[in-house]
Amino acid sequence: KAGVTQTPRYLIKTRGQQVTLSCSPISGHRSVSWYQQTPGQGLQFLFEYFSETQRNKGNFPGRFSGRQFSNSRSEMNVSTLELGDSALYLCASSLAHALGEQFFGPGTRLTVL
Amino acid sequence: TQLLEQSPQFLSIQEGENLTVYCNSSSVFSSLQWYRQEPGEGPVLLVTVVTGGEVKKLKRLTFQFGDARKDSSLHITAAQPGDTGLYLCAGSTNTGNQFYFGTGTSLTVIP
Repeated sequence: KAGVTQTPRYLIKTRGQQVTLSCSPISGHRSVSWYQQTPGQGLQFLFEYFSETQRNKGNFPGRFSGRQFSNSRSEMNVSTLELGDSALYLCASSLAHALGEQFFGPGTRLTVL
Repeated sequence: TQLLEQSPQFLSIQEGENLTVYCNSSSVFSSLQWYRQEPGEGPVLLVTVVTGGEVKKLKRLTFQFGDARKDSSLHITAAQPGDTGLYLCAGSTNTGNQFYFGTGTSLTVIP
């Protein structure tokens, strides 16, 4: 069974731009969660999607948004990028709930210049 | 403010040594997970503990959940270079709907 895939793996953007990251969950998994990982703050929960609906949301500004498609694939978007948005963005899929066993993708390394 | 504090933050030991990593909080967790993350990869789940006082063993790794469900430890016996990585604990609360991750412990095992 294929694992969680994330594209692109690396991305360089400049301040003020916007970016879209993609995540394909494990086949059959319906819950997709997004996390931001930085050296200073560690791994922080962004949001969770289930059946194309945002089910839970972390404490991030509205510049961070996401969506989920009918095939469970998910995208997250960050608008008006700031230097502090530089991070590893991880996607995790689980069968039905973010509190179940989560399988993480390799992440997208975003650098904002 | 981190809900879960891990110690130590960095650990460098020789192959064959034993080590313990701690995960502490003032909050009570309904379940706690431990992950290992290698460079360039996402975290991989090692274990989930749900009962206070629970001890789980995974080969050379022993995981313990505190009686009050506020803390946990990970003990590695006879560490090997393949154990090198970032160890993360993550807990979910009774009222929460997400996992809160700890600050992480970076382990290096020197051959």
